[in-house]
Amino acid sequence: NAGVMQNPRHLVRRRGQEARLRCSPMKGHSHVYWYRQLPEEGLKFMVYLQKENIIDESGMPKERFSAEFPKEGPSILRIQQVVRGDSAAYFCASSPRITRGTVDTQYFGPGTRLTVL
Amino acid sequence: EDQVTQSPEALRLQEGESSSLNCSYTVSGLRGLFWYRQDPGKGPEFLFTLYSAGEEKEKERLKATLTKKESFLHITAPKPEDSATYLCAVQNPNSGGYQKVTFGIGTKLQVIP
Repeated sequence: NAGVMQNPRHLVRRRGQEARLRCSPMKGHSHVYWYRQLPEEGLKFMVYLQKENIIDESGMPKERFSAEFPKEGPSILRIQQVVRGDSAAYFCASSPRITRGTVDTQYFGPGTRLTVL
Repeated sequence: EDQVTQSPEALRLQEGESSSLNCSYTVSGLRGLFWYRQDPGKGPEFLFTLYSAGEEKEKERLKATLTKKESFLHITAPKPEDSATYLCAVQNPNSGGYQKVTFGIGTKLQVIP
């Protein structure tokens, strides 16, 4: 299965700990997006990355949250000093190389469910 | 700010009872509209992309249509396995030069045997 992979699928952290969420895009995809989903709410955009570049982080909280997509390896969403309000499902999506003016479909991974105790 | 509104929020159908889900949007310069299906505890699964008003796409019991202000997802003779949350999303150019996607909250469909 060459789909988007995320791990871990479930993550439990205590308040104040760090959470690291990983995303491997589909084969051939060089664009990664992170979204957060709360119960009964829609998917909220957090950050858009290409290899070694953050393109748009307008949806990501300024403090405690960071994201990277290194030249080698998966994309990482890091949440430092987690609080109970960070509990949510975090989804990663990927798309192929984007040509200006075209439409590119985003394909989603299974998500990581973060629970902060 | 781009808005995507889906209705109804929840829909309960008897097996075989056809219906439609609505997605209305306010976005300048729409480039594409997407439909996804999401099962509980899973990630959204891509269904359709629509590019321009008048376009239609079909897949099994599902047909998506697009106008200048809204999109419909028609479900013909649904089966229990069609039960899921259906998400609508729109893509439009933003000032950063790439095309941002905005999602609606979704319609939760339940098909009763």
